[in-house]
Amino acid sequence: QKEVEQDPGPLSVPEGAIVSLNCTYSNSAFQYFMWYRQYSRKGPELLMYTYSSGNKEDGRFTAQVDKSSKYISLFIRDSQPSDSATYLCAMRGGYQKVTFGTGTKLQVIP
Amino acid sequence: EAGVTQFPSHSVIEKGQTVTLRCDPISGHDNLYWYRRVMGKEIKFLLHFVKESKQDESGMPNNRFLAERTGGTYSTLKVQPAELEDSGVYFCASSPHPGAANTGELFFGEGSRLTVL
Repeated sequence: QKEVEQDPGPLSVPEGAIVSLNCTYSNSAFQYFMWYRQYSRKGPELLMYTYSSGNKEDGRFTAQVDKSSKYISLFIRDSQPSDSATYLCAMRGGYQKVTFGTGTKLQVIP
Repeated sequence: EAGVTQFPSHSVIEKGQTVTLRCDPISGHDNLYWYRRVMGKEIKFLLHFVKESKQDESGMPNNRFLAERTGGTYSTLKVQPAELEDSGVYFCASSPHPGAANTGELFFGEGSRLTVL
């Protein structure tokens, strides 16, 4: 069983839609939860970072963590064509290595 | 500020040949990581340097892979001899020394795409 499970998609939505991206994990040692965005032929870049259970909002993006269910989500409001990318959930315990999900490819259609 | 740079961006070699990938981290970043993404799979950890020392090399697939970080600056990852299953994108990432106020954010390079024929 993989430590982090993520639906690879692809996910195609119209511009302005609300997007929900999700990951589940099995390792209880994970304490830090991240979402990276990766554009084609580029390296991943950090989008959101959370530590505790609950919600964290940054502009159109909301990251949600439910440690009891081992489930994390990223919501994108008013999605834009520029949001088209692969979104990778990632997590780690303490200062250990970061473990990534497979990534979900998102396409926002104008 | 310059980001993480990787070279070459794409390398095509034949099975049995040797390839050396280079990574220049962000200046001042003590932590340097190598990750690899094989087609259709997740980005997987290979190893972690703190300055010039290997902190964690638990992700290195086998002894055909050799990573070095000379003087705690740039790093090289050598694959010798290359096999077909080594094809993929090799990412390098760096981060400042983790501290209480540091998220441990990884700054990635654009990756080196390796194709073994």
